[in-house]
Amino acid sequence: DAGITQSPRHKVTETGTPVTLRCHQTENHRYMYWYRQDPGHGLRLIHYSYGVKDTDKGEVSDGYSVSRSKTEDFLLTLESATSSQTSVYFCAISEPGQFVLGEQFFGPGTRLTVL
Amino acid sequence: DQQVKQNSPSLSVQEGRISILNCDYTNSMFDYFLWYKKYPAEGPTFLISISSIKDKNEDGRFTVFLNKSAKHLSLHIVPSQPGDSAVYFCAASAMDSNYQLIWGAGTKLIIKP
Repeated sequence: DAGITQSPRHKVTETGTPVTLRCHQTENHRYMYWYRQDPGHGLRLIHYSYGVKDTDKGEVSDGYSVSRSKTEDFLLTLESATSSQTSVYFCAISEPGQFVLGEQFFGPGTRLTVL
Repeated sequence: DQQVKQNSPSLSVQEGRISILNCDYTNSMFDYFLWYKKYPAEGPTFLISISSIKDKNEDGRFTVFLNKSAKHLSLHIVPSQPGDSAVYFCAASAMDSNYQLIWGAGTKLIIKP
């Protein structure tokens, strides 16, 4: 299994509070992604990174920010959590050209509940 | 507007029979398609893929078929086993979008004993 960990695995927070989710990899993959999974929507890309300090927005980036100061860590921040951000968040990594084209390896997920 | 659609939220199949999961897409620029499998409380794991230059790819019990003219792909599992019970996601990508994956909503496959 690819070495990807996410922390915390579960979090309950209140509306308006800041939340940071962490993704840590030991594979030295260049690309890292944050997705959210909601019923009826599959996985939707929030932000991704293609290198240290290089990030870009995905399909559902509003209300989220990311940072990548080291190859191994990719942080997702909800500056002021809202109930609509209650979801399961997955981190993924990939190394273009090394594996099956487009293949991504996923972490175990973080279940976030915003009350 | 969903570019990748899995119209069956769930599918129930008898153990030992064939499972067929379907996926439709709208973007003709997609040139690579992947299937992922997901168990509860775990992240998705890669299962099988197919390039748009092919119409079939096999890996053991799993075969993916691609019909470009119909913008349709399907995953066949033969024979179905209890461990195949999971949610299956279809995903598509295009070279001009840096191979970012666009995901379907998933189909929950239940294998009955």
